[in-house]
Amino acid sequence: KQEVTQIPAALSVPEGENLVLNCSFTDSAIYNLQWFRQDPGKGLTSLLLIQSSQREQTSGRLNASLDKSSGRSTLYIAASQPGDSATYLCAVEAGGYNKLIFGAGTRLAVHP
Amino acid sequence: DADVTQTPRNRITKTGKRIMLECSQTKGHDRMYWYRQDPGLGLRLIYYSFDVKDINKGEISDGYSVSRQAQAKFSLSLESAIPNQTALYFCATSFGDIQYFGAGTRLSVL
Repeated sequence: KQEVTQIPAALSVPEGENLVLNCSFTDSAIYNLQWFRQDPGKGLTSLLLIQSSQREQTSGRLNASLDKSSGRSTLYIAASQPGDSATYLCAVEAGGYNKLIFGAGTRLAVHP
Repeated sequence: DADVTQTPRNRITKTGKRIMLECSQTKGHDRMYWYRQDPGLGLRLIYYSFDVKDINKGEISDGYSVSRQAQAKFSLSLESAIPNQTALYFCATSFGDIQYFGAGTRLSVL
C-alpha cells in the first residue's frame, strides 16, 4: 500500500531564508507527484505537478524535484516571505484515474 | 465566485442524524471527488465520479454515500452520523492531472 510521509511536520523560519520541504513515498510506481498549498478556509491549490518521467518543475520561487527510484521529492522555496505561510501537502497519483494519496503536510510559518 | 463551491461551510450535528454535504462546480469538469481531512493526517479519498453514471468507492467509503445529480453537482451523505466522522471535508474536480478544490466543509458530530 502506497504511503506518503512529509518531514518536517512544522517549520518556522525568518523571512528571506531558502528552505526545503521533504516528501517520501513507499512505492516508486507513480504516475505523477503534486505539491499543494493549503490555506485556512480556502481549500487546496495545486502548486507544481511533476510527471513520473520528469526530474523537476519550477514556478517562480518554487522548485520541486522528483527521484522516483529513491521515493523522494523536495519542494524548494527561495527567499521565503510571510505570504508563504501555509500548509504544504504532497500527493502521488499511483493507481491512475487521478486518485491521489496525500501526505500529512508541513505547516510553514515565515515570520518578518 | 469560486469555481468549486461547497455548502455548508460549517455544520454541527448530533450522532445518528442524516446530513448531506453539497458540492457544485462551474468548471465543466466530468471528474469529481470527495475527501476528508483529519488533524495530523493527509486527505483521504471517500468517493469519486467520472461522470453522472460512474461512481466509485475510494479508500474510506464506509458510512458514506454519494449522489451525482448532474455534471456540476456531487453530494456526500452521512446516513447516520457518528463522532469519528468529525472532520474537514473537501470536494474537488479535475481535468487532466490537476485537481481543483473547494474551500471545505467543517463537520462536527456530537
